[in-house]
Amino acid sequence: EDKVVQSPLSLVVHEGDTVTLNCSYEVTNFRSLLWYKQEKKAPTFLFMLTSSGIEKKSGRLSSILDKKELFSILNITATQTGDSAVYLCAVVLHSGGGADGLTFGKGTHLIIQP
Amino acid sequence: EAQVTQNPRYLITVTGKKLTVTCSQNMNHEYMSWYRQDPGLGLRQIYYSMNVEVTDKGDVPEGYKVSRKEKRNFPLILESPSPNQTSLYFCASSFRGAGVGYNEQFFGPGTRLTVL
Repeated sequence: EDKVVQSPLSLVVHEGDTVTLNCSYEVTNFRSLLWYKQEKKAPTFLFMLTSSGIEKKSGRLSSILDKKELFSILNITATQTGDSAVYLCAVVLHSGGGADGLTFGKGTHLIIQP
Repeated sequence: EAQVTQNPRYLITVTGKKLTVTCSQNMNHEYMSWYRQDPGLGLRQIYYSMNVEVTDKGDVPEGYKVSRKEKRNFPLILESPSPNQTSLYFCASSFRGAGVGYNEQFFGPGTRLTVL
């Protein structure tokens, strides 16, 4: 059974801290890994990772994938209260016949205290 | 404006009464998908579609049906809803880039369904 595990499940830090969110996976036919941010609404896309060792960056957020050890991390530096959200990791699976299923982890609930 | 729309946004219904949640996208995306989100269980994929007339089961397809007769629409059908289908439902779509699977997935605003 395909599995995507995120840790920690919940994290409370102070504004200005740096946080690292983890996503490990055990899946067959890995295609890519996605990170999303979800506030009190629909998830919004952050990154897509397909190759090991290539860091993706967007402002204070960055992410990297390790396909050998089967995990990805999402880093947020100089956190702000607006970073408070649930961060979701998802793995895209390539099935037979060209289909692409998607499995999400349960998310990390990040709270940034002023 | 590029978007994914869902209707209705909120629905309270009773067990056994057939319902359809519509999903439409205006971005000419090939890939569309339905998810349900429940506390402690996260987002789980119900069904997805790679293109018109091509659909596949996700992780939790039981009790649901879908159809993809047109590229822009992907309705979710509950033939006989039950209380365990009470959930927050999201529709999403994306363009499928060649060679790397699908890219950024755009989510609709969500449909909160309660089955009594």
